[in-house]
Amino acid sequence: GQNIDQPTEMTATEGAIVQINCTYQTSGFNGLFWYQQHAGEAPTFLSYNVLDGLEEKGRFSSFLSRSKGYSYLLLKELQMKDSASYLCAVLDSNYQLIWGAGTKLIIKP
Amino acid sequence: GAVVSQHPSRVICKSGTSVKIECRSLDFQATTMFWYRQFPKKSLMLMATSNEGSKATYEQGVEKDKFLINHASLTLSTLTVTSAHPEDSSFYICSARDLGAYNEQFFGPGTRLTVL
Repeated sequence: GQNIDQPTEMTATEGAIVQINCTYQTSGFNGLFWYQQHAGEAPTFLSYNVLDGLEEKGRFSSFLSRSKGYSYLLLKELQMKDSASYLCAVLDSNYQLIWGAGTKLIIKP
Repeated sequence: GAVVSQHPSRVICKSGTSVKIECRSLDFQATTMFWYRQFPKKSLMLMATSNEGSKATYEQGVEKDKFLINHASLTLSTLTVTSAHPEDSSFYICSARDLGAYNEQFFGPGTRLTVL
């Protein structure tokens, strides 16, 4: 079966750095996405990785290792508005998104 | 960037009535649209994949006669929840994939359905 694992909840302090991990086992791989979702809203795109390595975009970076079936999202200089759920999703061989359950990130002052 | 709209954003209806939700790609053509449902504090659950001009493909456990999907044009897909019941209350989100862009889905803002 297809499976994506990420921690249920994480807590971090404003101004700090946090890393959210995601491991996956899917039938085929056509890329991995990270989305941010605030409560009551639809997901918004953060990043897309299809090759191994680190992609940096402002305060957010995403890393992928295809051989390990592993990715992480790194958030720097945390702000209160970063409090949200972060969803890891893998595009499988049928170009269908397989979703993780999401990681709720709580930012404390 | 690509924009997807949904209408209505919020709907409250009585049990037994039907509700139609529209999903539109505003500035691109979407051959494929996806319908998701999300219960509170749960992840997105794919309900069905809708391809323009053909029948939708439903995920296991999703009743196709209850959740009617129509994708009559490259910019519009509709989801009709028939004979809605309180357990159908949820957040329904659509996404659209641009023609030829298999690695990207653009999400609508979602529709909050409450069935009394």
